Amino acid sequence: DAKTTQPPSMDCAEGRAANLPCNHSTISGNEYVYWYRQIHSQGPQYIIHGLKNNETNEMASLIITEDRKSSTLILPHATLRDTAVYYCIVRAEGAQKLVFGQGTRLTINP
Amino acid sequence: DGGITQSPKYLFRKEGQNVTLSCEQNLNHDAMYWYRQDPGQGLRLIYYSQIVNDFQKGDIAEGYSVSREKKESFPLTVTSAQKNPTAFYLCASSILTREHEAFFGQGTRLTVV
Repeated sequence: DAKTTQPPSMDCAEGRAANLPCNHSTISGNEYVYWYRQIHSQGPQYIIHGLKNNETNEMASLIITEDRKSSTLILPHATLRDTAVYYCIVRAEGAQKLVFGQGTRLTINP
Repeated sequence: DGGITQSPKYLFRKEGQNVTLSCEQNLNHDAMYWYRQDPGQGLRLIYYSQIVNDFQKGDIAEGYSVSREKKESFPLTVTSAQKNPTAFYLCASSILTREHEAFFGQGTRLTVV
């Protein structure tokens, strides 16, 4: 699985959009981009994933660059409950394991 | 309600003792996983299982053992051979064809003194 690079921490004001970047310059053609988040002392929660098209669900939007070497997770209206560590993972479909890096610690400020 | 349950939430053991962490799911998921997380670090895969009576080593299997006698259960034993057992342990399960949408338990924080 390709490796990812994320900033260790970010801050965002409550009510604003939180944009979390992820670099995955060595991503292969069959690898998807997945995002999870982990609230303190809880298990990770799946957020969204995509291959090359932008994706949106009830939690977030995922923007993947045309060359697929980077992506951005967007939380459109961040709330205090969005404070968590966000993990960007690239992985081939059907691969059995998720490889978690250190993620980005996102703090939403009131 | 369907879900994945880990117990206990906190566990203390003396050094040199084996300890077994419980993981049960009623989601009818075929695949189950065990991860370890150290402070400020990401998750590392210990073992995973795709079917009853079969399991595979992950990246850090040394010092751990698992069993999968029932589809619903995937207990993890931390043996005395594990050099640094104090950590946060997370169990997860998924449908085989949707491994990315893994459901995680709430974790067990193991402290060895």
